[in-house]
Amino acid sequence: GEDVEQSLFLSVREGDSSVINCTYTDSSSTYLYWYKQEPGAGLQLLTYIFSNMDMKQDQRLTVLLNKKDKHLSLRIADTQTGDSAIYFCAESIFDYKLSFGAGTTVTVRA
Amino acid sequence: DGGITQSPKYLFRKEGQNVTLSCEQNLNHDAMYWYRQDPGQGLRLIYYSQIVNDFQKGDIAEGYSVSREKKESFPLTVTSAQKNPTAFYLCASSTGTPMNTEAFFGQGTRLTVV
Repeated sequence: GEDVEQSLFLSVREGDSSVINCTYTDSSSTYLYWYKQEPGAGLQLLTYIFSNMDMKQDQRLTVLLNKKDKHLSLRIADTQTGDSAIYFCAESIFDYKLSFGAGTTVTVRA
Repeated sequence: DGGITQSPKYLFRKEGQNVTLSCEQNLNHDAMYWYRQDPGQGLRLIYYSQIVNDFQKGDIAEGYSVSREKKESFPLTVTSAQKNPTAFYLCASSTGTPMNTEAFFGQGTRLTVV
């Protein structure tokens, strides 16, 4: 997790947009991922972006990649209570391993 | 139903004992991984295997051992040498190709040393 950094907590009101930020250090990253983990469960892939893209949209999810600043963000539109979870940013490099951030705990309040 | 299965979900171990966590996948994936999750520290890689009969140490391999005798199975043994084994353990698999490193995760095993 040292190569990928995220803030640990985010609180958002239901219906608002959530923005989760991540920074990474390895400029040779090929793919960058966002995973979601619900309590006591494994990780579920939400979305990913290839390193030569700037943006990817998938329904309520928007991923922005600033390769110059090595900054990745995930925006969740119209946040719902079911979006409360831990969100992990991860990068993959040429050796097929994933390097994860510490995770951002998102709490959605009514 | 394709997927990756970890068992058991909860495991208790006495100090000084070895214990083995099971991980099975029917996704026909070549690569398999073991991660350890501690609160506020994210996931740390213990061991990974890109092909049958071969595996590599990850960032925190000390006190752990693995085997990969079959493509579908990648069991993890937590030995008595692991100083602080209480954690949530996650197994994952992927196709292992450079163009697709998406990892599929099991539901995890929570190990508690008593």
